Amino acid sequence: AQTVTQSQPEMSVQEAETVTLSCTYDTSESDYYLFWYKQPPSRQMILVIRQEAYKQQNATENRFSVNFQKAAKSFSLKISDSQLGDAAMYFCAYRRGAETSGSRLTFGEGTQLTVNP
Amino acid sequence: DADVTQTPRNRITKTGKRIMLECSQTKGHDRMYWYRQDPGLGLRLIYYSFDVKDINKGEISDGYSVSRQAQAKFSLSLESAIPNQTALYFCATSRSQQNSPLHFGNGTRLTVT
Repeated sequence: AQTVTQSQPEMSVQEAETVTLSCTYDTSESDYYLFWYKQPPSRQMILVIRQEAYKQQNATENRFSVNFQKAAKSFSLKISDSQLGDAAMYFCAYRRGAETSGSRLTFGEGTQLTVNP
Repeated sequence: DADVTQTPRNRITKTGKRIMLECSQTKGHDRMYWYRQDPGLGLRLIYYSFDVKDINKGEISDGYSVSRQAQAKFSLSLESAIPNQTALYFCATSRSQQNSPLHFGNGTRLTVT
């Protein structure tokens, strides 16, 4: 079974600085997708960024980017120019590429990010 | 705006009671899911459904049942609630395409006393 591990239960960053959240996963599959979701205090789950395993280029969405290391099975999220609104719980998630997986996501434990003014 | 709506937002119930959590969506997605969130454990899949006639167990289905009443409706039932089912429950939807992300409702906070 696939597992996703976020080894940092809590992280903090100063406003306008850069922070990196770590995620590793275990799989024997070659085709899969990776996601980062954000959960602010409102508890809504918001998609931040996604990465297809077959793409070598790291995904970027504005201030959010990933460092995808397929051989190392690592998928870290970098937040640049951190803002107060970035404070949230961040979840890394994995999805097998096979159609039979039904888009099910396996989530990590989460990292609580605090942004200090 | 197309949405995933969960009711109720919060619920307190007693041990042994039967409770139903409801989810409806206007996104037109075929696939629907129920997850529970516990501190330190992330989100874990309870049940999922590819379409109205397809229901599948997730990794933690014991003590739960589901009903897909229509393409847009997917309800989760706790037959006899117990305190360790106290959690935040999320409904989610997705398209059938492989790289489609999940779209979540706002969650139901359930407390079993």
